[in-house]
Amino acid sequence: EDQVTQSPEALRLQEGESSSLNCSYTVSGLRGLFWYRQDPGKGPEFLFTLYSAGEEKEKERLKATLTKKESFLHITAPKPEDSATYLCAVHEETSGSRLTFGEGTQLTVNP
Amino acid sequence: NAGVMQNPRHLVRRRGQEARLRCSPMKGHSHVYWYRQLPEEGLKFMVYLQKENIIDESGMPKERFSAEFPKEGPSILRIQQVVRGDSAAYFCASSPRLAMNTEAFFGQGTRLTVV
Repeated sequence: EDQVTQSPEALRLQEGESSSLNCSYTVSGLRGLFWYRQDPGKGPEFLFTLYSAGEEKEKERLKATLTKKESFLHITAPKPEDSATYLCAVHEETSGSRLTFGEGTQLTVNP
Repeated sequence: NAGVMQNPRHLVRRRGQEARLRCSPMKGHSHVYWYRQLPEEGLKFMVYLQKENIIDESGMPKERFSAEFPKEGPSILRIQQVVRGDSAAYFCASSPRLAMNTEAFFGQGTRLTVV
């Protein structure tokens, strides 16, 4: 069974304090790895898709990287508005169209 | 260009009642996915539908839950005889084609509370 584990469960940072979130996955064939941001009471908002080991994508203060076993979401000089829950999901070759989500990392950035 | 629209945003039902959750996909999208998010848990896949077809319902509970996506109108997730354990946020996502890729967008969800 596909497994997606995110760590840490919660992370508190000071504004400007860079850090990384981790997503470890166990799948038999990765079709894609997704990062979403979810604000309280809202639906997940798409951030990135990564398809192969070594791939990197950036958007403003966020950078996502992928290896054969894990993905990192690097946050550089975060601001309070980056506070949210960050979700990782995998699309596996034999799982049809479903995404398997991790439980998320709740990020709080203090001013 | 409206996004994925879900209604109602909040729904309260007494145990034993029926809950109907609606999802209108983005314009031009013909693939709909339903996910459930239980408190303190991650999103779990329930069902994938195309117009008039259920493609993958492997995540749906065997009883009381059903889904449809008619030729006209929104997709409906129906929960009969609700129980307290059905309380959760139900999210719908849509995409223009099969693969759940960058073209998949989520709605704001329906928060079901069973009292």
